[in-house]
Amino acid sequence: KNQVEQSPQSLIILEGKNCTLQCNYTVSPFSNLRWYKQDTGRGPVSLTIMTFSENTKSNGRYTATLDADTKQSSLHITASQLSDSASYICVVSYGNNRLAFGKGNQVVVIP
Amino acid sequence: NAGVTQTPKFQVLKTGQSMTLQCAQDMNHEYMSWYRQDPGMGLRLIHYSVGAGITDQGEVPNGYNVSRSTTEDFPLRLLSAAPSQTSVYFCASSYSGTSGADTQYFGPGTRLTVL
Repeated sequence: KNQVEQSPQSLIILEGKNCTLQCNYTVSPFSNLRWYKQDTGRGPVSLTIMTFSENTKSNGRYTATLDADTKQSSLHITASQLSDSASYICVVSYGNNRLAFGKGNQVVVIP
Repeated sequence: NAGVTQTPKFQVLKTGQSMTLQCAQDMNHEYMSWYRQDPGMGLRLIHYSVGAGITDQGEVPNGYNVSRSTTEDFPLRLLSAAPSQTSVYFCASSYSGTSGADTQYFGPGTRLTVL
């Protein structure tokens, strides 16, 4: 069974601090890996998409990394802001238009 | 450019009732899909379409029907609602399928409760 595991399940960080979210996957054949941000009560919004040959991609204060050999990805949030409070979802595309979703990392930024 | 729109935002049904969740996009995207999101679980793919007239089943298709008569619209039909279908439903679209690196855009969701 294809799986995407995210850790930590939830974390609380102080405004202005950095944090890193982890994603491990066992899916194959791999197509790409996506990170989404989902605010409470809203649909997910794409942050980054990385293919097999890419090992880092940034979107503002968000930087994603991918190690396709170890099947691991991380999302680093720099200088967190209150608006970063959300669920961050790791999604792996595999096979023919198939997606495996992680359960998300719940981030709460406090002032 | 409205992006992906979904109606209604909220819906309460009784067991056995049928209804259609509407989804539309104005970005001329070929690929559209429906997901459900339940507490403690990741998003799960219900059905998807790679273009007008073409649909296929996802991970959890039972109890749902779809059709794609136009590029813009991709309605999801619940044939006979069951409490197990209580969930938040998201529609999404992209230029091509998810095997490519196109950005996938999600709608705001429909929160469905089946009593």
